[in-house]
Amino acid sequence: SQQGEEDPQALSIQEGENATMNCSYKTSINNLQWYRQNSGRGLVHLILIRSNEREKHSGRLRVTLDTSKKSSSLLITASRAADTASYFCATLRDTGRRALTFGSGTRLQVQP
Amino acid sequence: ETGVTQTPRHLVMGMTNKKSLKCEQHLGHNAMYWYKQSAKKPLELMFVYSLEERVENNSVPSRFSPECPNSSHLFLHLHTLQPEDSALYLCASSQALPGQGARGNTIYFGEGSWLTVV
Repeated sequence: SQQGEEDPQALSIQEGENATMNCSYKTSINNLQWYRQNSGRGLVHLILIRSNEREKHSGRLRVTLDTSKKSSSLLITASRAADTASYFCATLRDTGRRALTFGSGTRLQVQP
Repeated sequence: ETGVTQTPRHLVMGMTNKKSLKCEQHLGHNAMYWYKQSAKKPLELMFVYSLEERVENNSVPSRFSPECPNSSHLFLHLHTLQPEDSALYLCASSQALPGQGARGNTIYFGEGSWLTVV
């Protein structure tokens, strides 16, 4: 079973609105990262939050992490049409696998 | 441009063909990865290489054969594939393996190779 699962699977909003995506995971982690993928392209790293951090900001991005609930959220404020993409959370486990494990992603559509 | 280049971008092959996907990173990284992305499924980790040594093989069928001749190049050799192997194959690299300090925390992806098996 996959480590990270994003919710919702798809999200459509108007330009200027905020977009919130959630990620749940199963095992204890070292860190959690969010990546973005434009249609049919490679993934691009957005932000990383460590297991001992609760919130992190980068520009219009805000990430929270709740290790007790094994969940994270990505908030994009004042969304733009150019934010249209798929967003993936990826986790690095505390032990074992030496690579990131990705979820299925949230497809965000920002209507101009 | 992420510094990770994949060729070809698109490949159509028959089930009896032998082809290869190539990945080259210009970032001086020591770890490289192959991921498979199928429609409506999470990215699946296939192989992990660190300093040209394979450190993880995620139960990938033997019809996929990776090769890492040096730390800058990674190949995925394809032989007798099935139609269900059609997917986007993504190569990625990182300065170190994840967990090896901060250097391994960000991985950089190529644009992917779209593979269609007919």
